Amino acid sequence: QQQVKQSPQSLIVQKGGISIINCAYENTAFDYFPWYQQFPGKGPALLIAIRPDVSEKKEGRFTISFNKSAKQFSLHIMDSQPGDSATYFCAASNMNRDDKIIFGKGTRLHILP
Amino acid sequence: DADVTQTPRNRITKTGKRIMLECSQTKGHDRMYWYRQDPGLGLRLIYYSFDVKDINKGEISDGYSVSRQAQAKFSLSLESAIPNQTALYFCATRQGGINEQFFGPGTRLTVL
Repeated sequence: QQQVKQSPQSLIVQKGGISIINCAYENTAFDYFPWYQQFPGKGPALLIAIRPDVSEKKEGRFTISFNKSAKQFSLHIMDSQPGDSATYFCAASNMNRDDKIIFGKGTRLHILP
Repeated sequence: DADVTQTPRNRITKTGKRIMLECSQTKGHDRMYWYRQDPGLGLRLIYYSFDVKDINKGEISDGYSVSRQAQAKFSLSLESAIPNQTALYFCATRQGGINEQFFGPGTRLTVL
């Protein structure tokens, strides 16, 4: 019930292509779905987040698509650039209930120049 | 910019040794967290604290203890380190009522 399943584990995309990372959750009480980006040697940092009352959120080249009925959400990176190469974590939480974020296992993204 | 800092950044120790990892924050946040990151396993919560008097166990607290010495300081201790505690350790902070967590730069711990 508390798991967040993330796929793929690793992804290689050509420069200019679209990177897509998928996540699925089980607990319908989750009400906040962030994506964190982590560069080597750094801590994760919030990239973009969505709440379940909307189906899509876009910030620049980054878009979250959210399917509440399927309990799935995905990160799309348009026009992927070598600087986007990083590890991406999806996550889910209900901070009003138990103050914890449940993270997916991460996706290592490599953008080929 | 206000920061979450961790010391040390790297540490090599031997099995059975006691070790302490420290976290300090200047963000004024009330919540603080300790995570462990292992390849392929993502970020797993060890302990978290709402304030100085409130400490809670996370997913993998066995073998670890914590101390919240002040609102700005949260320390993680390994009383008797073992090799499978070799990992990257991250401290994070959050202000109650706001969802975003802010992570420190991490401590790479190696237990020989």
